[in-house]
Amino acid sequence: DIQMTQSPSSLSASVRDRVTITCRASQSITTYLNWYQQKPGKAPKLLIYAASSLQSGVPSRFSGSGSGTDFTLTISSLQPEDFATYFCQQSYSTPYTFGQGTKLEIK
Amino acid sequence: EVQLVESGGGLVKPGGSLRLSCAASGFTFSNAWMSWVRQAPGKGLEWVGRIKRKTDGGTTDYAAPVKGRFTISRDDSKNTLYLQMNSLKTEDTALYYCTTLRYLDWANDYWGQGTLVTVSS
Repeated sequence: DIQMTQSPSSLSASVRDRVTITCRASQSITTYLNWYQQKPGKAPKLLIYAASSLQSGVPSRFSGSGSGTDFTLTISSLQPEDFATYFCQQSYSTPYTFGQGTKLEIK
Repeated sequence: EVQLVESGGGLVKPGGSLRLSCAASGFTFSNAWMSWVRQAPGKGLEWVGRIKRKTDGGTTDYAAPVKGRFTISRDDSKNTLYLQMNSLKTEDTALYYCTTLRYLDWANDYWGQGTLVTVSS
């Protein structure tokens, strides 16, 4: 199985900060990398698919990059509603494994 | 509007069985690849398995922890996805989400609200 490792596991930041979360795959997954946001008590929401494509309705302050084994999710200017947990996931081969999550908290 | 509504969760004893359902609407269900994802209380997301649309073979794939115990099926005439769970273990306790998969990149683009399965004696 492909292992997905996110860093950091948690992060404190302030409104209007630029934030980057990284995700590393244990082998090449080309660009089959997705990012999700989850708020407490809610289902996850797809933000980015295929490493860099923004899901419809997602604000443009979210962006994704990378290919092969190393990927990043960037939030260009944090808004209050962005404080949540973020997960990466590879969809290159089954099982479609997730990273362990990054909890983004208010500083 | 895409809607996925899971049902069938509850409390079950170790070794027991449960069948989850996911009622889909707002899209052509028969054209969709579907999956189940679970989340243990306070933990991260775990992919459970997927089922292809019938025109692509209708086959299934499963994560190792559930393979041989869980079965994903679909009834396209009822727009419903199922997860049959047998030989349940305490570690299967989780919120189970039904999701659609984007064709060709397999991201989970729509999610239900989840149904809670608790395995405990």
